[in-house]
This record gives sequence, C-alpha cells and structure tokens, in this order.
Amino acid sequence: DAMVIQNPRYQVTQFGKPVTLSCSQTLNHNVMYWYQQKSSQAPKLLFHYYDKDFNNEADTPDNFQSRRPNTSFCFLDIRSPGLGDAAMYLCATSRLAHEQYFGPGTRLTVT
Amino acid sequence: KQEVTQIPAALSVPEGENLVLNCSFTDSAIYNLQWFRQDPGKGLTSLLLIQSSQREQTSGRLNASLDKSSGRSTLYIAASQPGDSATYLCAVRPNSGGSNYKLTFGKGTLLTVNP
Repeated sequence: DAMVIQNPRYQVTQFGKPVTLSCSQTLNHNVMYWYQQKSSQAPKLLFHYYDKDFNNEADTPDNFQSRRPNTSFCFLDIRSPGLGDAAMYLCATSRLAHEQYFGPGTRLTVT
Repeated sequence: KQEVTQIPAALSVPEGENLVLNCSFTDSAIYNLQWFRQDPGKGLTSLLLIQSSQREQTSGRLNASLDKSSGRSTLYIAASQPGDSATYLCAVRPNSGGSNYKLTFGKGTLLTVNP
C-alpha cells in the first residue's frame, strides 16, 4: 500500500545532542510537510517542501532544519534539542494542494 | 489570520448514538477542509476531504458538511461504536496563492464512545 513512513517511531536524545528524524513516502507526492504536535495541541507546521523548494514558517526556530534529497525522502534535523522540543513530530505529504496524508509520527523525548 | 475552533472539546456518548462534531473557521476563503482522526500517540488519519465547491462528503458511517459562507463544517457519525473513540480534528487550507499548502488546524474534539 502507498504510504508515509516515519523512522524511528520513538527517539530519545540528550539535551543539546543533534538528532535526525526521517520520513519517506511511496505516494510520489510533490509536497512534504513537517509538523510538531505537543500534548493536547493542534499540529503546528514547521516547514514544507514543494518539490525541492523549501518553505519555512516564520515562527519556526533556527534550531530546526530540513533536507529533502529526493522526492521520496525528507529529514528533520534538530541541531541542539532543548527540553521544550519534546513532542510528536508528524510528516505529511500531498499532491499539490490536495488531501494531506500523515505518517504515524515520531515521539521525541529529550533527557 | 485564519482561526479554527472545534466545539465541544470533549464528548462522551453511549454506543449506538448518532453524534455531530462542529468546526468553525473565521476566513471563508478556503480551498478545502479536511477531517482527521487521531488515536492516542499516533499520527493523523484522513477521514474526509471537502472541496470549497462541495456541500458534503460521505464515507461509510461518516458524513461531513460544509457551509463556507457561514464558516462552518460538521462531522456526523452514525451509530457510534467504541472503536470510534479518538480525537477528531478539522483543518482548513486557504485559497490564497503561495500559502495554499498550509493547513490550519482546530484543537480537536476528544470523543469517547462507551460500550
């Protein structure tokens, strides 16, 4: 089945230690998104790629970076995680402005 | 700035009941509206997508309606089951050029269906 895959599902990192979360898709969608969701809150868009065109949200901290080496893969890099970055990170894809499909998420814990 | 509100924040019903979840948005210039389901600790599952030109969409026991001019959408769940227990989120996509890819989410309605 076509799908959005996120690895790992659970990630524990130390305060200040760089961490990378990965997302892959078999839908061949041209738009990929990264969201941050904290407990009982709505998902918050960090950035998205339209093909190779990177679009950062104005309030996304510089600590968060992203890479999209090809259509299928997208990475979220957190350069120096703080305790406030502990959250669920959700990857999503869409074909243009159509329906968004989400992956299962990566739960990040910062110790 | 688009704001999306979902009422109620939580809802508890007995199994078999029909129920309605509400979503309202402040800017009617939307491209589409999407309803999602989220189970605890999991990602979002897309339930229904309504284009701005549509009035409703149906999938199984789910029916979503859209009244763009009044900034409202409802998700109707027929004959609720314990397996329907989850958080339901609605999200709108703007109809405005460069920011057309960004969804604005409500905070969700936590639904509990009791056996």
